[in-house]
Amino acid sequence: AQSVTQLDSQVPVFEEAPVELRCNYSSSVSVYLFWYVQYPNQGLQLLLKYLSGSTLVKGINGFEAEFNKSQTSFHLRKPSVHISDTAEYFCAVSGPGYSSASKIIFGSGTRLSIRP
Amino acid sequence: DGGITQSPKYLFRKEGQNVTLSCEQNLNHDAMYWYRQDPGQGLRLIYYSQIVNDFQKGDIAEGYSVSREKKESFPLTVTSAQKNPTAFYLCASRLDRAYTEAFFGQGTRLTVV
Repeated sequence: AQSVTQLDSQVPVFEEAPVELRCNYSSSVSVYLFWYVQYPNQGLQLLLKYLSGSTLVKGINGFEAEFNKSQTSFHLRKPSVHISDTAEYFCAVSGPGYSSASKIIFGSGTRLSIRP
Repeated sequence: DGGITQSPKYLFRKEGQNVTLSCEQNLNHDAMYWYRQDPGQGLRLIYYSQIVNDFQKGDIAEGYSVSREKKESFPLTVTSAQKNPTAFYLCASRLDRAYTEAFFGQGTRLTVV
């Protein structure tokens, strides 16, 4: 069975500081990994995804994530955050296989709060 | 514009009532999902459907029911058997491949009064 663990429930950072949101997954087979962002009272939007190939994935709004198979991690990073990055961030795993029968499993979320 | 539409945005339910949350998509996606979101618990899967007239229970299906009579529509009914229905409900859809991302609606906030 697959699972996703987001190690921090809340991360406070100052504006223009770098940030890393941690995500570890558990799976005995190859999976696909995603990061989503949720602004208050809204649905989720895709930030980026890892399918295969280069382990460094770039997404929208200046975010990037690095896939590390040996550590089963997929941490999200941004070199300089802005007030508008205040939101909740979810790591998710899907797969294996080509069928949508494989469910998308979400982590419990990390609330990123930016201080001026 | 293509997307997923959930309605209503806010819904109030009295004790013992059934209520139905609407989810419509025009993305031509085969798979559709319902998630429940509670503070600090992430998204928990209620039901999902891969094709019309077929659906499977997720992790917390008790007290909920769904139908999939059309590809575009996947309504969720919260029955009186659901003891703690107050939550934020999210509908999502995606293509029939595990490597594709899900697209989400804007959510429905259900409150029991």
